[in-house]
Order: sequence, then structure tokens, then C-alpha cells
Amino acid sequence: NAGVTQTPKFRVLKTGQSMTLLCAQDMNHEYMYWYRQDPGMGLRLIHYSVGEGTTAKGEVPDGYNVSRLKKQNFLLGLESAAPSQTSVYFCASGSMADYGYTFGSGTRLTVV
Amino acid sequence: SQKIEQNSEALNIQEGKTATLTCNYTNYSPAYLQWYRQDPGRGPVFLLLIRENEKEKRKERLKVTFDTTLKQSLFHITASQPADSATYLCAPYSGSARQLTFGSGTQLTVLP
Repeated sequence: NAGVTQTPKFRVLKTGQSMTLLCAQDMNHEYMYWYRQDPGMGLRLIHYSVGEGTTAKGEVPDGYNVSRLKKQNFLLGLESAAPSQTSVYFCASGSMADYGYTFGSGTRLTVV
Repeated sequence: SQKIEQNSEALNIQEGKTATLTCNYTNYSPAYLQWYRQDPGRGPVFLLLIRENEKEKRKERLKVTFDTTLKQSLFHITASQPADSATYLCAPYSGSARQLTFGSGTQLTVLP
């Protein structure tokens, strides 16, 4: 039982490039979330999903898009990467029956 | 706007003592509050949840209190061990879809 798996674990992008971060969970959770974590800022919610085919904006959605075509996957896209998007990105999932979130191990992204 | 403050960025205590971490929130009326542990380079791990109608919750050496009048939660680790060294995050529930907003965390170091 893998829990929440994020790929890739590390990535370096040039300004203006695009990329997609993949999050996969095998716990049949309804809710999925993308956070970014920066020093001194804590975890900030980018986008979230309450079920397959649904997405919604969080606290810091600008410059990101998401899709949830399958219940187990939640994709985070960067349309045109900027240095301000250098961060560690965490995906999390949760179910209606269990209030604790399960987090992935993170993707460390550097935009140069 | 909603705000979460965790007592200090870093807390050092001696092995065997009780560590007490504070989480204060403003402009919230959370229905529940969660605590997570995060180790360097890893995603947060869920520890405990406490609901607004619960004064106290325990799990092994962990104890959480929730004072909705003071708008504060306290997180205690009794008989602390060096293995308890980590960053601890509090997260009051806010909004819909079970969105959690996280504090920036307190880094706890237990000295042998």
C-alpha cells in the first residue's frame, strides 16, 4: 500500500518552461490537495479537488492549473514557470470517513 | 483575515521533559484542529485531531487541548525523546471541502 506517490521528486526548470507534477493515491480518497511549502511561510493551498472531475482554487492558485480526470490522480501544471514558483510541492489526500490527511513525500522544484 | 501563530520557530528541551507547543488562531471558528509532524525532506504526518467540543485528546505520550474561548490549542509531548525532534504543524479546519490551513510550524529539538 503506497499511500500518496508524487513524481518527480526533483526538477529544475528554466523560466518560461512548463511541466506537470503527478500525484497518485491508492486509498480511494475523495479529496485531494496541492500545497506549496516555502521557508517561513508554512504550507499554502494551491488547488484542491472534492472528487473526480472537480477542481477548485485555494489560497495561491495563480500560475497553476490542475486536473482530476481519475479519482486516484491529481495533476498540477505550471503553464510558464517563474522563479517565484521555486518551492517544495506536496500533494495530500483525505476521505470523508477519515479526517487526517495523507501527504506525499514532495517534489522539490527549482526555476532558474 | 484568518491567521495562525505557532509559539516560536524553534524549541529546545532536555530529554525526559515535557514539550509544550502553542497554536493560536484568529478570525477562525474551527470545528476541529489537527496536529502534524514533519521531518526534514518529508511530507507532514497526521498525529491527532481534536474537535471543538473536546477539551483534551490523548494518544500515547501526546496530549492536545483545544480552548475555543482563548482560540488556542496546546500540544504536549511527555517524556520526550531525541526521536521526537521534528517540526510540528497545527492546522485548524476552515471552509468547505475539509480545507486545512497550516501554521508555519515549531521546530522541536530534544537534547540527549
